[in-house]
Amino acid sequence: TQLLEQSPQFLSIQEGENLTVYCNSSSVFSSLQWYRQEPGEGPVLLVTVVTGGEVKKLKRLTFQFGDARKDSSLHITAAQPGDTGLYLCAGAGNQFYFGTGTSLTVIP
Amino acid sequence: GAGVSQSPRYKVTKRGQDVALRCDPISGHVSLYWYRQALGQGPEFLTYFNYEAQQDKSGLPNDRFSAERPEGSISTLTIQRTEQRDSAMYRCASSLIWRGGSYNEQFFGPGTRLTVL
Repeated sequence: TQLLEQSPQFLSIQEGENLTVYCNSSSVFSSLQWYRQEPGEGPVLLVTVVTGGEVKKLKRLTFQFGDARKDSSLHITAAQPGDTGLYLCAGAGNQFYFGTGTSLTVIP
Repeated sequence: GAGVSQSPRYKVTKRGQDVALRCDPISGHVSLYWYRQALGQGPEFLTYFNYEAQQDKSGLPNDRFSAERPEGSISTLTIQRTEQRDSAMYRCASSLIWRGGSYNEQFFGPGTRLTVL
């Protein structure tokens, strides 16, 4: 059972375009995290959001935590080839739950 | 400093054999986690330890899977009587101490790619 569903599953865009990745759950989480995983590597933490409605910016990446703390989004502005990778949301309960993943390809 | 290391990086075994996968966490990290990850999917939580104590093993698929961390540092994930469906990437991560419901940063190892023929 996947507690965290991500959409879209795959995304292929041209360099310079904007995109949004969604992470949805029927469960409430006290915090959500976003990780990026490059081919052949393990996931690397990008950000943690802990307050409902919180917005965090990391250069061209904007992360938002839903007011009800059940969902989150990641928006990338002016995507670059270096943004290519698997984006994962994650939430902590009694276990640690990772989302289904969004595979992003940015074409030069 | 050194990151999380895992060995072997690749393991090919025949169905029915036992395998042991090793994880060496970042020095000083109290919590250690095991995940299984299919290609293009998010990691699936298997189990985790704080120090040498296994805190939650409800993610282990069945009783052929076990894990230990006897001295609170290196951990071993053992799969007995392997089956083809066990083929996957097995990842280990470590962090400062984690208690359920809270958050911290997990640092992942490079993984062990297990193939069961």
